Amino acid sequence: AQSVAQPEDQVNVAEGNPLTVKCTYSVSGNPYLFWYVQYPNRGLQFLLKYITGDNLVKGSYGFEAEFNKSQTSFHLKKPSALVSDSALYFCAVRDINTGGFKTIFGAGTRLFVKA
Amino acid sequence: SQTIHQWPATLVQPVGSPLSLECTVEGTSNPNLYWYRQAAGRGLQLLFYSVGIGQISSEVPQNLSASRPQDRQFILSSKKLLLSDSGFYLCAWSPVGATNEKLFFGSGTQLSVL
Repeated sequence: AQSVAQPEDQVNVAEGNPLTVKCTYSVSGNPYLFWYVQYPNRGLQFLLKYITGDNLVKGSYGFEAEFNKSQTSFHLKKPSALVSDSALYFCAVRDINTGGFKTIFGAGTRLFVKA
Repeated sequence: SQTIHQWPATLVQPVGSPLSLECTVEGTSNPNLYWYRQAAGRGLQLLFYSVGIGQISSEVPQNLSASRPQDRQFILSSKKLLLSDSGFYLCAWSPVGATNEKLFFGSGTQLSVL
């Protein structure tokens, strides 16, 4: 079965420092990987996706993610964190085995950026 | 452009009462539609998805049901709510036939069953 794991419940980083939010995946076949962000009491917003091509994917709000096939990872990164980046971040994979209709989400990582 | 509407934003219901949450999508045709539940501000659990009118797939056995009476309308229901039904419910849609496309989420309904 397709799955993603986010090993950190919480990540703390100082404003201006680089941030990394980790994600590893387990899929059969080619992975369709996504990152979403959720602000309090809101729905999720799409940040970026990897389907094929360059391993470094650029997305919204200055975020990027690096696809690493050998390590089965898809870590989210940003060179310089902002306080406004504080939110809940979800890694997700599209479940191709069931026709691609379902998206499986990780448990989420809460990011705190301190001023 | 496409938009998704979900209501109500907040709902407090007694145990044993019925439930109806509604979600509509505008600006697209034949979308894939989804209901997710998020417990305690963490992971999302897929409850139902639909690839067309009247076509509902249930992911987990539970006290809830879903219906899709119109192409862009998705309803989550319960005949009798349980305490464990409390949570944040999210409706989402994705374009038909595109397995590599993102999900577009509604703003969610916070349900408290007391």
